Amino acid sequence: DGGITQSPKYLFRKEGQNVTLSCEQNLNHDAMYWYRQDPGQGLRLIYYSQIVNDFQKGDIAEGYSVSREKKESFPLTVTSAQKNPTAFYLCASTMTGSSVTGELFFGEGSRLTVL
Amino acid sequence: QKEVEQDPGPLSVPEGAIVSLNCTYSNSAFQYFMWYRQYSRKGPELLMYTYSSGNKEDGRFTAQVDKSSKYISLFIRDSQPSDSATYLCAMSIYNTDKLIFGTGTRLQVFP
Repeated sequence: DGGITQSPKYLFRKEGQNVTLSCEQNLNHDAMYWYRQDPGQGLRLIYYSQIVNDFQKGDIAEGYSVSREKKESFPLTVTSAQKNPTAFYLCASTMTGSSVTGELFFGEGSRLTVL
Repeated sequence: QKEVEQDPGPLSVPEGAIVSLNCTYSNSAFQYFMWYRQYSRKGPELLMYTYSSGNKEDGRFTAQVDKSSKYISLFIRDSQPSDSATYLCAMSIYNTDKLIFGTGTRLQVFP
């Protein structure tokens, strides 16, 4: 079945540690996104990539880094510079092109808790 | 002012009720409007998609867009306990743009 796989589902981290969240898709989508979801704040865009080896900062990129070495993979690193990393992280992908709807397909999410 | 405003709820209704969920927006250039449903601890999934103004119906769900008022709505008829979820509106100017999301409205349908 096609879809987006995020791992791990739950992650605990000590302050000062970097962690990497995995996102893999087999939908052959060009564009991939990382969102952060906090109660009462909706989805906030961290980073996005529309093509391999290229990515752009979203609205809240500080303290995060990404890479896009393969079309199907878009890992997110939460660095120790991120002041408040405890959140639910969602990866998404979509087709690009003039004929598409722009619908985002989401993974199941990764919940990061900093102890 | 946020680009997209959505009442966070929670909205609690009895089974069988008609539910109305709404979003307002400030950017008149938005043309693509979506409603996502998100169950607890899961990723959002697309429920309804509308381009420009008008109504769209899919089973018990109806999406309405009123561009003159910058207002979109999602109606759920004959609501079921399985409809209990958070509903997020989202919109963009072009279909290739990144989506702007509302904060989501939490809906609870009790038996």
